[in-house]
Amino acid sequence: GAVVSQHPSWVICKSGTSVKIECRSLDFQATTMFWYRQFPKQSLMLMATSNEGSKATYEQGVEKDKFLINHASLTLSTLTVTSAHPEDSSFYICSARPPVAGATDTQYFGPGTRLTVL
Amino acid sequence: EDQVTQSPEALRLQEGESSSLNCSYTVSGLRGLFWYRQDPGKGPEFLFTLYSAGEEKEKERLKATLTKKESFLHITAPKPEDSATYLCAVQGYTGNQFYFGTGTSLTVIP
Repeated sequence: GAVVSQHPSWVICKSGTSVKIECRSLDFQATTMFWYRQFPKQSLMLMATSNEGSKATYEQGVEKDKFLINHASLTLSTLTVTSAHPEDSSFYICSARPPVAGATDTQYFGPGTRLTVL
Repeated sequence: EDQVTQSPEALRLQEGESSSLNCSYTVSGLRGLFWYRQDPGKGPEFLFTLYSAGEEKEKERLKATLTKKESFLHITAPKPEDSATYLCAVQGYTGNQFYFGTGTSLTVIP
């Protein structure tokens, strides 16, 4: 149980184009999903918290107009990197949290999406 | 500010050589401490959640323990397939955010 998928697993695009990454919870409904970014040999940095049916909450320093997040259903959140530039190249990982039952608050992660901007 | 520090940064073990990974944390009210395993180019795989000091959890060759200031991930008689980066994260009561450490890269040599 608690499987999260991401699509695509990797993408290469030209500078200035937009890229959409999908995150799906396959066997549970997730009212909250999270988007992280990870640079080589560094830990995960939270970019934003995605809430179903409402606006995402962005962490300090993350441009909300550049990283558009949509959480249209209880099983799908999308991250769109608009006008991508080489510095946006990174490993993007989403996570989803099953409905909280008692003290359980574990996040389950997707396999990640490697974005390379040329 | 909530912080997580993991040590060592890298660890090389011979197959069968037991050891421990450390996760030191500061958080304003611990809601949970989480251990994940991450293989290269993949997302983190959930291992354990610990909630209170004194709690222990086991899974195959792994055992996680928790005190008020740190957590240990004990690896007993490791095998090469245990090679991965092990991440620790904490969550406080003030929000949803997980604070991740930078991980320990474990290599088990046959």
